[in-house]
Amino acid sequence: GENVEQHPSTLSVQEGDSAVIKCTYSDSASNYFPWYKQELGKGPQLIIDIRSNVGEKKDQRIAVTLNKTAKHFSLHITETQPEDSAVYFCAACYGQNFVFGPGTRLSVLP
Amino acid sequence: ETGVTQTPRHLVMGMTNKKSLKCEQHLGHNAMYWYKQSAKKPLELMFVYSLEERVENNSVPSRFSPECPNSSHLFLHLHTLQPEDSALYLCASSQDWVDEQYFGPGTRLTVT
Repeated sequence: GENVEQHPSTLSVQEGDSAVIKCTYSDSASNYFPWYKQELGKGPQLIIDIRSNVGEKKDQRIAVTLNKTAKHFSLHITETQPEDSAVYFCAACYGQNFVFGPGTRLSVLP
Repeated sequence: ETGVTQTPRHLVMGMTNKKSLKCEQHLGHNAMYWYKQSAKKPLELMFVYSLEERVENNSVPSRFSPECPNSSHLFLHLHTLQPEDSALYLCASSQDWVDEQYFGPGTRLTVT
């Protein structure tokens, strides 16, 4: 079955710096890769996603890149702000199989 | 506001109790999901319903019993749980499979 690894597990950056979180997956059939942000006491919320026919997608300060050959994808957050502090999860999906990474706790220091 | 609500938000139950978790989505979606989120473990998909039919059951113990009476409601019936079942149980919905999932706030379950 699918296995998703995510690094780093914790990440601290200064406000205004960039943050990068990387995920690798094992099942080459996976074709949908969402990223979720989870704040304390809330459920995960989708922030950006990418499908296998695209190599990069950007939405304001957030971007995701996908390398299908290497089976890895990354989340990039630029100009980080304190409200970006949360736990971020990647997922690799095929059909009804959604497999999440273990999460990255991002802290943006003012 | 995500359009997915869950009740109760917190639940404490003994190992011999029977309780139910409720999820309701107001988004007109066709698929609904139950996830378990434990400390230091990835989100674990438990059940998937599409158009009110169960399409996925990831080897979940029978002490967890899902029910989907219509496309807007999803229940998780609990009985004779173990302390290791204590976790945050999240409900989600999506328009179709392999689509953006909208999560509810979760039910924090503690089994004593």
